[in-house]
Amino acid sequence: AQRVTQPEKLLSVFKGAPVELKCNYSYSGSPELFWYVQYSRQRLQLLLRHISRESIKGFTADLNKGETSFHLKKPFAQEEDSAMYYCALREDSWGKFQFGAGTQVVVTP
Amino acid sequence: SAVISQKPSRDICQRGTSLTIQCQVDSQVTMMFWYRQQPGQSLTLIATANQGSEATYESGFVIDKFPISRPNLTFSTLTVSNMSPEDSSIYLCSAYGTSDTGELFFGEGSRLTVL
Repeated sequence: AQRVTQPEKLLSVFKGAPVELKCNYSYSGSPELFWYVQYSRQRLQLLLRHISRESIKGFTADLNKGETSFHLKKPFAQEEDSAMYYCALREDSWGKFQFGAGTQVVVTP
Repeated sequence: SAVISQKPSRDICQRGTSLTIQCQVDSQVTMMFWYRQQPGQSLTLIATANQGSEATYESGFVIDKFPISRPNLTFSTLTVSNMSPEDSSIYLCSAYGTSDTGELFFGEGSRLTVL
């Protein structure tokens, strides 16, 4: 069975400091990995996906198949980055998602 | 993209009653899903809502407790039956868009409190 692990429930960082959210997965095949974000009073939305290899709002994430990880990073955190972040995995196109437990990020000035 | 509307947005219910949550998408979508998000926990998939046929339920969820309908490509309902306080949760409707970009769109959620 597939599984997504986010070990940190809460990350508190200062504005301008780097932030890294950890995500590890277990899956025997080649999964697709995603990061979703939920800002206060907003709906859950896609932040980025590993196949796009893009930077969104300064965030990047690299899929490391050897370590089965997909950590989310940003070199300089901003106050508007405060949100709940979910790592997610799906097995194939149009498939269902498996979400991690989520990491609450709080950026303080 | 797909814009998803859910109602009710929140409700307080009595133990033993049932409540139906409606989900409306602004475009025809292929895949629709229902998730539950309990306080402090992640999203748990309840079922995939299949258009014109019975929903596909995940382990731990059964049709008698969570009957789902999907009469067309833009609408689905989830009923939480014979509610108990343990059913207090946020219920989320989600769907893919018309093409598979890997992006799942979500409704704003329906927050149910069972007394």
